[in-house]
Amino acid sequence: GQNIDQPTEMTATEGAIVQINCTYQTSGFNGLFWYQQHAGEAPTFLSYNVLDGLEEKGRFSSFLSRSKGYSYLLLKELQMKDSASYLCAVTPYGQNFVFGPGTRLSVLP
Amino acid sequence: GAVVSQHPSRVICKSGTSVKIECRSLDFQATTMFWYRQFPKKSLMLMATSNEGSKATYEQGVEKDKFLINHASLTLSTLTVTSAHPEDSSFYICSAREGDREMFFGPGTRLTVL
Repeated sequence: GQNIDQPTEMTATEGAIVQINCTYQTSGFNGLFWYQQHAGEAPTFLSYNVLDGLEEKGRFSSFLSRSKGYSYLLLKELQMKDSASYLCAVTPYGQNFVFGPGTRLSVLP
Repeated sequence: GAVVSQHPSRVICKSGTSVKIECRSLDFQATTMFWYRQFPKKSLMLMATSNEGSKATYEQGVEKDKFLINHASLTLSTLTVTSAHPEDSSFYICSAREGDREMFFGPGTRLTVL
C-alpha cells in the first residue's frame, strides 16, 4: 500500500523559519512534490525532488532522503500569506500521485 | 507556468440532476488528467485517472457509473456527476500532466446539491 504522513497543524511567527516534515512508504518512487493550497483554492506547485538533497527556490527549500523515505519543506522569513495547507505528494510509479493529508500552517503576527 | 482551467467554478443543482464539469489544459497537451474530491479541511482524494482516448481508471470505492469521466482529447477531460445527491456536494479539482512533468491543478469546482 501507499502511506504518506505529515503533521496535521503547525503554528509559527511572522519572520521565523518553519520546517514541515513528510514521511512516506510507497511501492515505488518516481519523485516527491510539495504543493501549497490556500483555503477554497486549488493547490499550486512549490517544489519537486527526485534525487537526495536540498532544492532551494527563494524562501522555500525542499529536502529529500530516499533511503529514509523522508522529505521536508523549509519556509524562511515567514509571511502572513504563507498561512495555507502544504501537501506532500509522491509519484510511486507512472503517472499516479499519492497525496499526504496536508499540514495546515498558521502564521501569527 | 502551465494553466489548467475548470468550468464551472461553482454550481448549485437540485437532487437527481446531472452536472458536468470540464477541465482543460490551456497551453500543453495533457496526456494524463486526474480528478480529485476534497472535503473541508481534508486532503485531496483521488477519484480517477484518465488517459486521452482510453477509459478512466477509478480508485477503489468510486462508482464509475455515478462519476462519468471522458478524456476525449489531449486538452479536455469532463467529469459528469449523474443523479447528484446532497452527499455529492464537495470541491472537485482536476489536474493535468504532460508526460513525467509536474502536475498542474485546475481552480476547482464547488458543487452544492440541494
